[in-house]
Amino acid sequence: GAGVSQSPSNKVTEKGKDVELRCDPISGHTALYWYRQSLGQGLEFLIYFQGNSAPDKSGLPSDRFSAERTGGSVSTLTIQRTQQEDSAVYLCASNELGFYEQYFGPGTRLTVT
Amino acid sequence: AQTVTQSQPEMSVQEAETVTLSCTYDTSESDYYLFWYKQPPSRQMILVIRQEAYKQQNATENRFSVNFQKAAKSFSLKISDSQLGDAAMYFCASLVQGAQKLVFGQGTRLTINP
Repeated sequence: GAGVSQSPSNKVTEKGKDVELRCDPISGHTALYWYRQSLGQGLEFLIYFQGNSAPDKSGLPSDRFSAERTGGSVSTLTIQRTQQEDSAVYLCASNELGFYEQYFGPGTRLTVT
Repeated sequence: AQTVTQSQPEMSVQEAETVTLSCTYDTSESDYYLFWYKQPPSRQMILVIRQEAYKQQNATENRFSVNFQKAAKSFSLKISDSQLGDAAMYFCASLVQGAQKLVFGQGTRLTINP
């Protein structure tokens, strides 16, 4: 079946602009995760959604970052007033309830100029 | 807090040879899982192999196997009969039961020499 998909594949934006990154998880997967991969910080957890439960936002680096998940499926990660340090690859992953293996999408490379 | 350490930023191996990538971790939890992920230039993280901490037997997936030393908190990956398609970044990761978030090491870039 189809894997995790993310869009856009690449995004270049000017400092101060807002951006939205999209993730479509594998059909039937109730859990969805966002991670950030940057040269300086490596791979770091951002946020986790599980079904209708309140999301775990403990990894969001600042209040400029937010995410939502509509209808228990598609998720959007929004970064407001982008800064150059936000430049990174943003990875989305999903898995089924009760399973611990996470399946990743191809990521969105964000470049803030 | 969980930490994962990969001490080899880069490794290289001749095609058809065997290579071992190192990983150590630290956790105070008793229920956890360990993973190796492969990230080729396409950026997609691909699950290579997984190990449940409660299992004593080392996991094996075709040419990939692990050496899980629980007391030493070591989780190395052995790739046998290396192939050109194995060239990638390899990340070791841990996940504590109930915590859900993966904690990754810094990665090891593996080069396969033809």
